[in-house]
Amino acid sequence: GAGVSQTPSNKVTEKGKYVELRCDPISGHTALYWYRQSLGQGPEFLIYFQGTGAADDSGLPNDRFFAVRPEGSVSTLKIQRTERGDSAVYLCASSQSGSNTGELFFGEGSRLTVL
Amino acid sequence: KNEVEQSPQNLTAQEGEFITINCSYSVGISALHWLQQHPGGGIVSLFMLSSGKKKHGRLIATINIQEKHSSLHITASHPRDSAVYICAAGGGSNYKLTFGKGTLLTVNP
Repeated sequence: GAGVSQTPSNKVTEKGKYVELRCDPISGHTALYWYRQSLGQGPEFLIYFQGTGAADDSGLPNDRFFAVRPEGSVSTLKIQRTERGDSAVYLCASSQSGSNTGELFFGEGSRLTVL
Repeated sequence: KNEVEQSPQNLTAQEGEFITINCSYSVGISALHWLQQHPGGGIVSLFMLSSGKKKHGRLIATINIQEKHSSLHITASHPRDSAVYICAAGGGSNYKLTFGKGTLLTVNP
């Protein structure tokens, strides 16, 4: 596809369950970013990938959160033992490079609701 | 305290009015982004700027690096401009953006 694709668009789960959220960036974009947006707030940085490696994971809130990008394209954000406070929209973005000169392209987001 | 502050939080205008949304930041930046988010929708990048002014259609973005302040202007506003406008500051060697909370703009016909 032409843009950043995120699946699922909506996910409802029960407290304690495991969740995976997928991001398919624009082809050729080496940089990929995950953000989390809670209701009424601006997005918050979670993790940044440059190629296959996590260049900066300082935004991950705790060790229940983990993200991978094994082949340098698709990325999966994994949340273990979900809690109600994890409910948010998880946004993925990609850019051609990780420098500050490239435009960011965002996906539509995955809305996670933990009951 | 958020390092990126936007004002106003909410803005209601009549169609045709000139709109200004302000953003102040306290972090050092190499790029300042203006983003648009429609209800239930994803985020669209409007501008990325590090100095001066950029214009795209009816939208104009300016930045004053010394004052750490940026503004987004919309001329001849239209109901389809109704959205949340988010300012985000990018600094350092990667894109660890710091986002403002957004400004909800409603343009009435």
